Amino acid sequence: DVKVTQSSRYLVKRTGEKVFLECVQDMDHENMFWYRQDPGLGLRLIYFSYDVKMKEKGDIPEGYSVSREKKERFSLILESASTNQTSMYLCASSPWTSGRGADTQYFGPGTRLTVL
Amino acid sequence: AQTVTQSQPEMSVQEAETVTLSCTYDTSESDYYLFWYKQPPSRQMILVIRQEAYKQQNATENRFSVNFQKAAKSFSLKISDSQLGDAAMYFCAYRSHNNNDMRFGAGTRLTVKP
Repeated sequence: DVKVTQSSRYLVKRTGEKVFLECVQDMDHENMFWYRQDPGLGLRLIYFSYDVKMKEKGDIPEGYSVSREKKERFSLILESASTNQTSMYLCASSPWTSGRGADTQYFGPGTRLTVL
Repeated sequence: AQTVTQSQPEMSVQEAETVTLSCTYDTSESDYYLFWYKQPPSRQMILVIRQEAYKQQNATENRFSVNFQKAAKSFSLKISDSQLGDAAMYFCAYRSHNNNDMRFGAGTRLTVKP
């Protein structure tokens, strides 16, 4: 079974702090994604990466950055946390299927971040 | 940009009954994928079912089936013989054949009554 893990289930930080959210997958997937989930808005893509050291902006990249130094690990960074970044953050990974693009995404358990 | 709409924020069903969750999407593409994901309370999001747009046959997975109407851009999920464990948020999602990223609807919260 694919396993996607996230470093914390719950996190409380203060405004202005630098926050790191870590995601690790164990299935050698090429693609990794960071989403935030808010009630009534579904999941919105922050960033994704299709290879080591590669990244692409999603729909809401402002206030976030990412790092992918190793294939299995994809980090989301909040440079200076703000209260409007209080949310559930979901990481996902997917394999690259030759000829048909990225396949089904597999999700981590999520990190509920509260910024005070 | 593609959008996915789930018009039912909440639905409820009696145990053992059938329920249908609605999803519509907007796209100008002809080749794409559609997904239903389930997110149980405080648990990991998992794939329920997927459909490839070039396939006319509706996908089925045990008690879960879809009604894919490509011309109408509709992709509803039918859950038969509902069980208490089906209670969850259900998200409809769209992915273009050419892109890595996925578009999600706002979700439908399904309650199953015993």
